[in-house]
Amino acid sequence: AQKITQTQPGMFVQEKEAVTLDCTYDTSDPSYGLFWYKQPSSGEMIFLIYQGSYDQQNATEGRYSLNFQKARKSANRVISASQLGDSAMYFCAMRGTNTGNQFYFGTGTSLTVIP
Amino acid sequence: NAGVTQTPKFQVLKTGQSMTLQCAQDMNHNSMYWYRQDPGMGLRLIYYSASEGTTDKGEVPNGYNVSRLNKREFSLRLESAAPSQTSVYFCAILYYRGGSSVTDTQYFGPGTRLTVL
Repeated sequence: AQKITQTQPGMFVQEKEAVTLDCTYDTSDPSYGLFWYKQPSSGEMIFLIYQGSYDQQNATEGRYSLNFQKARKSANRVISASQLGDSAMYFCAMRGTNTGNQFYFGTGTSLTVIP
Repeated sequence: NAGVTQTPKFQVLKTGQSMTLQCAQDMNHNSMYWYRQDPGMGLRLIYYSASEGTTDKGEVPNGYNVSRLNKREFSLRLESAAPSQTSVYFCAILYYRGGSSVTDTQYFGPGTRLTVL
């Protein structure tokens, strides 16, 4: 069975400080992908970043990076210098080779950036 | 939103009424999905369709039916709405990124906020 766990329902961070959003997963699939999505208060779901289980390096996108620790089954998302526009819900998701087209989502973390 | 549209944006129903949520994509992707999002529960898969004419149940299919009559459109029908179906409904497509299939990601429509009284 596939499972995604996000243990931080809500987080606060000061503007310009770094923050880490936790995501752990459980799968028996030999190959899988991990995804992060952002949901601002307007409600849309926005794809942010992808990490493959066989990728040698952590994924990065500007201020955002993914701290992938395969042995610990974690894929934490790091924002290096928070901005007010980063305030949103963040969802971690996974898809495996044996899950077909299905994705599995965590329950999300609400991030609030304080000026 | 990678060309994924949903109608309507908002809907209020009375218990027992029926309605169809529409989803359309203009990017010629094969796989389409319907999710519901409830507070504290993330996104839960209702149904998905790997290709035109095929559909499969997800985690929470009870009370819903779907139809994928062509590649472009995937509709979700509530035959007899219940208050437990009050939720935000998202349609998504599977976007091919190249490489292994596990790299394919989902792009979402703007959502439909449904309230059942």
